Amino acid sequence: DTGVSQDPRHKITKRGQNVTFRCDPISEHNRLYWYRQTLGQGPEFLTYFQNEAQLEKSRLLSDRFSAERPKGSFSTLEIQRTEQGDSAMYLCASTDDRDTEAFFGQGTRLTVV
Amino acid sequence: AQSVTQLDSQVPVFEEAPVELRCNYSSSVSVYLFWYVQYPNQGLQLLLKYLSGSTLVESINGFEAEFNKSQTSFHLRKPSVHISDTAEYFCAVSAARGSTLGRLYFGRGTQLTVWP
Repeated sequence: DTGVSQDPRHKITKRGQNVTFRCDPISEHNRLYWYRQTLGQGPEFLTYFQNEAQLEKSRLLSDRFSAERPKGSFSTLEIQRTEQGDSAMYLCASTDDRDTEAFFGQGTRLTVV
Repeated sequence: AQSVTQLDSQVPVFEEAPVELRCNYSSSVSVYLFWYVQYPNQGLQLLLKYLSGSTLVESINGFEAEFNKSQTSFHLRKPSVHISDTAEYFCAVSAARGSTLGRLYFGRGTQLTVWP
């Protein structure tokens, strides 16, 4: 297993377009998290899943954002009608049942022009 | 909820000098504490963590941090830094009970730059 995988690594989109990111957690990790990191800031929590259930959503997750994990394995994060303020690094992390360490992917850098 | 304060946004230091990156947290419940390192255009890598037991924790590359409950601090130290330690360092906390360890609250980060 090569760790948490995110795709794409970079995405440039025009304002108003929809984008979708994918995260593949470490195999058999049942918890999956999404974070957003803007320039000069630490990562901020967006949402997390335990298996396929979305258990917590941050107030940062506006109605333009939706996350899914339909089969309890990979997850997608969709942003509709992107705005320039959505430009950020989107990070995915996963933990296993023992819940002793969160492993992060390399992130998807979104630029909205 | 929890919050983390990293007082220093940038710390420049010469190679082989000691360094301390400061981290203070606020929480009404018991917490787990972490330091993550981020290299340019990369994700986060766990450097070290405090979950329980000894309040002094060490990483494999010479960093150490001490959990001080009375001062609500978890400062990161290294006695002699290398140029390869240049990176952004993030302190983070999560609630020790009633939540999942991956639900993290991060500080704003400290950019450590090591000069030759």
